[in-house]
Parts: sequence; C-alpha cells; structure tokens
Amino acid sequence: GAVVSQHPSWVICKSGTSVKIECRSLDFQATTMFWYRQFPKQSLMLMATSNEGSKATYEQGVEKDKFLINHASLTLSTLTVTSAHPEDSSFYICSALRSQGSYNSPLHFGNGTRLTVT
Amino acid sequence: AQSVAQPEDQVNVAEGNPLTVKCTYSVSGNPYLFWYVQYPNRGLQFLLKYITGDNLVKGSYGFEAEFNKSQTSFHLKKPSALVSDSALYFCAVRAASGTYKYIFGTGTRLKVLA
Repeated sequence: GAVVSQHPSWVICKSGTSVKIECRSLDFQATTMFWYRQFPKQSLMLMATSNEGSKATYEQGVEKDKFLINHASLTLSTLTVTSAHPEDSSFYICSALRSQGSYNSPLHFGNGTRLTVT
Repeated sequence: AQSVAQPEDQVNVAEGNPLTVKCTYSVSGNPYLFWYVQYPNRGLQFLLKYITGDNLVKGSYGFEAEFNKSQTSFHLKKPSALVSDSALYFCAVRAASGTYKYIFGTGTRLKVLA
C-alpha cells in the first residue's frame, strides 16, 4: 500500500515551453503533498507544500509564478514549470502524506521526474 | 531550528561486513527521526523511524538504527551488507512541532563491494 505515482518519469523540452508533472496517490488520500527538487549529488530541496483545495505554500526563494502547483483532489497534485529554462533542468520528486496520518507518519515518494530543458 | 547532519558523503564496505551510516540531529523538543533510501533515478523509500520507546529501531531490508539521546545521533546499521544495499541514504527529522515538513540530511552514498 501507499503507492505514489509520478508522471512523466523523464521529459525533454525546449526552452520557453511549459511542462506539467503529475503526482498521484494511488491507494490512499493525501491532503498534503510536497514537491522537492534534487540537484546532482545533493540533498532534497523542499520547493513547496501542496494542500488540497487551497493554495500551495512555497519555500523561500522558490518562484511561485514559475512553479505552479495545483492540488485539485485528494489524490492528485500537479507541478507546472512555466517558461522553462536550462537552469530548471533537475530531478523533481513529489511525496504524499496520508490524510489520516499523524506528524510522525513517514512520507511516500513518487519515483521522480528527470526534466531536461534544451 | 531543527537540523540533521550526515558527516560522510560516501561509505564503502565489503559485502558481508557490518555497515554504519551516521546521522546526528539538532532539535528542540522530542525528535522524530527517519531514514530513507534512494536508488538511482528513483524516489525515496522509507526504511524506519524513531518516535519514542526502544532506542533500537528495526526497519525494512534488515536495517536498524540506534537512537542515542546524549550524543544526538541516529546511526543506521546493518549486520551484514549486501551489494544490493548500494544506494543513497538520507536521514530526516521533522521540521518543527506541529508540522508535516521534514528536513533531510545531505545524503550518504553507500557502496558495498563484492
């Protein structure tokens, strides 16, 4: 149980275009999802907290107009990288927390999306 | 502020030998500590957690971790390493009381040599 599906697993796009990444909790409801960015040989950088039915909470330094997050249902959050540039190339990972989870519940991660902007 | 440190970028161990991946933490209040593993081009998988109780926590794939309050450490251990254990390991701590956010360490790459 607790499967999180992230799609696509990899994407190549041209500079200036937008890319949408989906994160779905397949067998549980997730009121809260998190979006991370991981640079090569570095740790996870939390970008934003996605809350179902409300606006996402962005971490300091993350441009909310560039990284659009929508959490329209209890099983789906999307991250759209708008007007992508080569510096946006990275590995993006989502994670989900069960709606009935507590503060000591583990996170369930998707398999990540490798974005390459040419 | 909560923080977690993984002092080793990489740990090499021979197959069959015991392994230890180190983690130290700094929290205000009771620590909620986690270990996750990441295989190449994949997301993170939960291994184990410490919330309260027994200082020795057992988790998935034969891993265990020892919580040491006096040394503020939460080292990951396994009695006998497998080549398939080679991966990137992250220690994490809950960011603050009353939040679901977690702070991750910088990760330790474990390489098990055949």
